[in-house]
Amino acid sequence: NAGVTQTPKFRVLKTGQSMTLLCAQDMNHEYMYWYRQDPGMGLRLIHYSVGEGTTAKGEVPDGYNVSRLKKQNFLLGLESAAPSQTSVYFCASSTGTVETQYFGPGTRLLVL
Amino acid sequence: GENVEQHPSTLSVQEGDSAVIKCTYSDSASNYFPWYKQELGKRPQLIIDIRSNVGEKKDQRIAVTLNKTAKHFSLHITETQPEDSAVYFCAGGLAGGATNKLIFGTGTLLAVQP
Repeated sequence: NAGVTQTPKFRVLKTGQSMTLLCAQDMNHEYMYWYRQDPGMGLRLIHYSVGEGTTAKGEVPDGYNVSRLKKQNFLLGLESAAPSQTSVYFCASSTGTVETQYFGPGTRLLVL
Repeated sequence: GENVEQHPSTLSVQEGDSAVIKCTYSDSASNYFPWYKQELGKRPQLIIDIRSNVGEKKDQRIAVTLNKTAKHFSLHITETQPEDSAVYFCAGGLAGGATNKLIFGTGTLLAVQP
C-alpha cells in the first residue's frame, strides 16, 4: 500500500495563476482532509470531506476549493493564487471521526 | 469552536532528561486528544492518543495525561534520545461529533542535545 500520496511535491506559481493539488489514498478511508502548515501556526484545516461527493469548510477555507468525486481522491484548487498562500500543504485521511489521521508527504507551494 | 493552545513553542533538553509538553483546549465536549510527531521535512505521524474516558496512557518512553476538569493534557517523554528531536503537535476533537475534525496546537520544537 502506498498510503496517502500527494502530487506535485513542489510548485512555484505567479500571483493570479491557478493550480490543483491532488491527494490520493489507497486505504479505503471515508474521511479526507487538507491542511496548510506555516511556521509558528501549526496545522490549519482548510477543507475536509466525510465521504465521496461531500465537502465541508475548515478553519481557513477562503481562496481554496475542493472536490471529492472519487472516494480515493481529494483535490484542492487555488483559483487565483496569492503570496499569502505560500505554504506547505498536507493531505490526510482517516477511517472515521477524529480517528488516527494518516498524512501525505506534503506539497511545498511558493507563490511569487 | 475548539481552540487548542500548546506550550512551550521550543524546548531543549539534555539526552536522558525528561521532556513535557502541555496543551489546553477550550471545548469541554472534546473527547479525543492525539499527539503527532513531525521530523524535519517529513509528514506528521501519530505517536500516542488518549480519549476522555481515561486519565493516562503510556507507550514505552511516552505517556500522555489528561485532566478533563482543567481541560489540559500533556505529553511526557522520558529518557530522551537524539532521535526524539522533532516538532510535536497536540490536537483535540470530538469523536462521533458532527464536525469530524481535529484542531491542532501550534507545535513544540523539541531539541535533544547529545
